[in-house]
Amino acid sequence: AQSVTQPDIHITVSEGASLELRCNYSYGATPYLFWYVQSPGQGLQLLLKYFSGDTLVQGIKGFEAEFKRSQSSFNLRKPSVHWSDAAEYFCAVGARYGNKLVFGAGTILRVKS
Amino acid sequence: DVKVTQSSRYLVKRTGEKVFLECVQDMDHENMFWYRQDPGLGLRLIYFSYDVKMKEKGDIPEGYSVSREKKERFSLILESASTNQTSMYLCASSLEDRLTQYFGPGTRLTVL
Repeated sequence: AQSVTQPDIHITVSEGASLELRCNYSYGATPYLFWYVQSPGQGLQLLLKYFSGDTLVQGIKGFEAEFKRSQSSFNLRKPSVHWSDAAEYFCAVGARYGNKLVFGAGTILRVKS
Repeated sequence: DVKVTQSSRYLVKRTGEKVFLECVQDMDHENMFWYRQDPGLGLRLIYFSYDVKMKEKGDIPEGYSVSREKKERFSLILESASTNQTSMYLCASSLEDRLTQYFGPGTRLTVL
């Protein structure tokens, strides 16, 4: 069965600092991987996704993520965080031709000025 | 842009009431999904539909049913609401690639 672990429940970074949010997945075959962001009181917005090819994926809002098969990881990064990035971030995994996504529990990002 | 709308942002109901949550998407997507979101648990799939009048159970279907009479509309029904169904409910839709999902703003349901 697929599963996703986001080890950090909360992360606080200073505005302008770099950010890395961790995601580890468990899946037997090649996974399809996603990062979503949820601002307070809002639905989820797709940041980026990985299906195949280049393991470094660029997304919206200056985010990128790197797929590392050997570590079963898909960590999200941003070189310089803005106060508007404060939100909850979800990593998700799905199977090729599959029906559903499995989500991690989320990481809440706080940005201090 | 894909637009997924949900009928209510906030809803308060009494135990035992029948509750309808409505979701509409405007991009002619085949697939629609209902999730519930609880702190520390992420999103869990309740039901999804891959065509009109077609539905499949997700991971936590107990206590819920769904209806899809038109392609653009997917309804979640709580036949007899209970307090443990207090949660945030999120609707999503996708094209043939079922995994790339677009979400609505959510309905925060409180059952008293």
